[in-house]
Amino acid sequence: QVQLQQSGAELVKPGSSVKISCKASGYTFTSYDMHWIKQQPGNGLEWIGWIYPGNGNTKYNQKFNGKATLTADKSSSTAYMQLSSLTSEDSAVYFCARSIRFDYWGQGVMVTVSS
Amino acid sequence: DIQMTQSPSFLSASVGDRVTINCKASQNINKYLDWYQQKLGEAPKLLIYNTNSLHTGIPSRFSGSGSGTDFTLTISSLQPEDVATYFCLQHNSGWTFGGGTKLELK
Repeated sequence: QVQLQQSGAELVKPGSSVKISCKASGYTFTSYDMHWIKQQPGNGLEWIGWIYPGNGNTKYNQKFNGKATLTADKSSSTAYMQLSSLTSEDSAVYFCARSIRFDYWGQGVMVTVSS
Repeated sequence: DIQMTQSPSFLSASVGDRVTINCKASQNINKYLDWYQQKLGEAPKLLIYNTNSLHTGIPSRFSGSGSGTDFTLTISSLQPEDVATYFCLQHNSGWTFGGGTKLELK
């Protein structure tokens, strides 16, 4: 069965960076886009961007250009998102989700930005 | 950018009730509208894709309809396990979520 297993919660300092992972199993990793979504309490869900692991192509929501960097490692079927220059506005739960219609989701990673 | 307006924001209904949730797009999104269910502390789960196609394993009491700019999720007979927040998502041009509908039992 399709599973997306994300890394654990992160507590990071303002101005720093964090890299979170999403390990895929149960399907051909290189055949489906991987999307990333941000969820803040009361602010709903925002699409960050996608990566196609087959060739590394990426597309970002303009709002997250320069904030998020998406990569993928075909050898380990793992997608990554690095968030840089963190502020309190980046405190949120971040999900990975497979394909254009987000048919399977990771469990989410809570990132807390605090000094 | 396409904006998605979801209504109502909050809904209280009884077991067995027919429940409808609406999403309105700021421009034509053709059929590219999906619905998700998110229970407290969990990731969202796909219910309906491309307006009216039921995702694998989803009970038939869930259905979707609409076209163009106006879309509806219907739960034909509300069950206790349906208590959750529901989101719509357009993917005709980029990806934009609706604001969510929190569904509770009366």
